Amino acid sequence: QVQLQQSGAELAKPGSSVKISCKASGYTFTSYYVSWIKQTTGQGLEYIGHINTGSGGTNYNEKFKGKATLTVDKSSSTAFMQLSSLTPDDSAVYYCAREGADPLDYWGQGVMVTVSS
Amino acid sequence: DIQMTQSPSVLSASVGDRVTLNCKASQNINKYLNWYQQKLGEAPKLLIYNTNNLQTGIPSRFSGSGSGTDFTLTISSLQPEDFATYFCFQHNSWPYTFGAGTKLELK
Repeated sequence: QVQLQQSGAELAKPGSSVKISCKASGYTFTSYYVSWIKQTTGQGLEYIGHINTGSGGTNYNEKFKGKATLTVDKSSSTAFMQLSSLTPDDSAVYYCAREGADPLDYWGQGVMVTVSS
Repeated sequence: DIQMTQSPSVLSASVGDRVTLNCKASQNINKYLNWYQQKLGEAPKLLIYNTNNLQTGIPSRFSGSGSGTDFTLTISSLQPEDFATYFCFQHNSWPYTFGAGTKLELK
């Protein structure tokens, strides 16, 4: 069965970076993009961007350019998102999701990132 | 960016009720509208894709309709497990965007 397994919760200091992972199983990894979504109580769900897992090509929501960097390791069927120059506004739950012809059909369990000094 | 407006923000209903949730796009998004259900502490789950296509494994009491800018999700007979928050999501135009959600609560 399709599964997206994300890494564990992160506690980070302002100004630092975190890199979260999303390991896919149960399907051909390179046949689907991986998307990333941010969820907060205040802003709701925000689409960050996606990565072509075959080519490594990326598209970002303008709002997240410079904040998020998406990469992929095809050998381990894992997608990554690095968040840089963290501020308290980056505290959120971050999800990865599979994106094919029917976008965001399967989601990871989410990673809580807390930015605090 | 396309704004997705969901209404109502909170809907109180009883088991067995038929309910309709609304989602309005600020621009034409053709048929590219998905509906998700999210329960507390869980990831969103895809219910309906491309306006009216039921995702595999989703009960037939869920249905979607609409086109262009106005879309609805209907639950024909509410079950106890349906009380959750529902989000719409457009994937017609970049950046893709979500609605703010409708919380379906027990009356």
